[in-house]
Amino acid sequence: NAGVTQTPKFQVLKTGQSMTLQCAQDMNHEYMSWYRQDPGMGLRLIHYSVGAGITDQGEVPNGYNVSRSTTEDFPLRLLSAAPSQTSVYFCATTRTGSNTIYFGEGSWLTVV
Amino acid sequence: GENVEQHPSTLSVQEGDSAVIKCTYSDSASNYFPWYKQELGKRPQLIIDIRSNVGEKKDQRIAVTLNKTAKHFSLHITETQPEDSAVYFCAASGGGGSYIPTFGRGTSLIVHP
Repeated sequence: NAGVTQTPKFQVLKTGQSMTLQCAQDMNHEYMSWYRQDPGMGLRLIHYSVGAGITDQGEVPNGYNVSRSTTEDFPLRLLSAAPSQTSVYFCATTRTGSNTIYFGEGSWLTVV
Repeated sequence: GENVEQHPSTLSVQEGDSAVIKCTYSDSASNYFPWYKQELGKRPQLIIDIRSNVGEKKDQRIAVTLNKTAKHFSLHITETQPEDSAVYFCAASGGGGSYIPTFGRGTSLIVHP
């Protein structure tokens, strides 16, 4: 039981490049979400999904896309990376009926 | 949507002292209030939580109190130890049936030996 698995753990991108952060879970949780963490800003919600085929925007969605074709996977796509997207990204899951949130280990992204 | 304010942003205490971190929330329908501890380079870890039908909850040296009327909740750590040094986040969820929490901006707790 791996829980929530994020890849890659570290990535350096050049401005304008695109990439996908992967998130996979093996707990069969319905809710999945992506947060970014910046110094002094806490954890801000980017996008979330309440089940396969359903996604919605969070507080800071601009510049990011998501899809949820299966219960297990919730990739986050950066369409054209900008230095402002340098951050630590956390994927998280929650089971319906429980409020407990399970975080992945995080992905450190630097855009130069 | 929900808005969570957290204070202070930095808290420095001597080992053995108590530490208190306070949060306020805006959505009166929120009913779940967790606290997370994040050590440097690690993921946030749940340390204690409280639901809206409870006023206080304790787990060894940590406790959380909730005042629904005033819409604020607090984390209390007694007999602080250097290993308590970390960033602490409060969160609120449950409004509108949502399980997606809104987080406060975090408090950096430093415990001096």
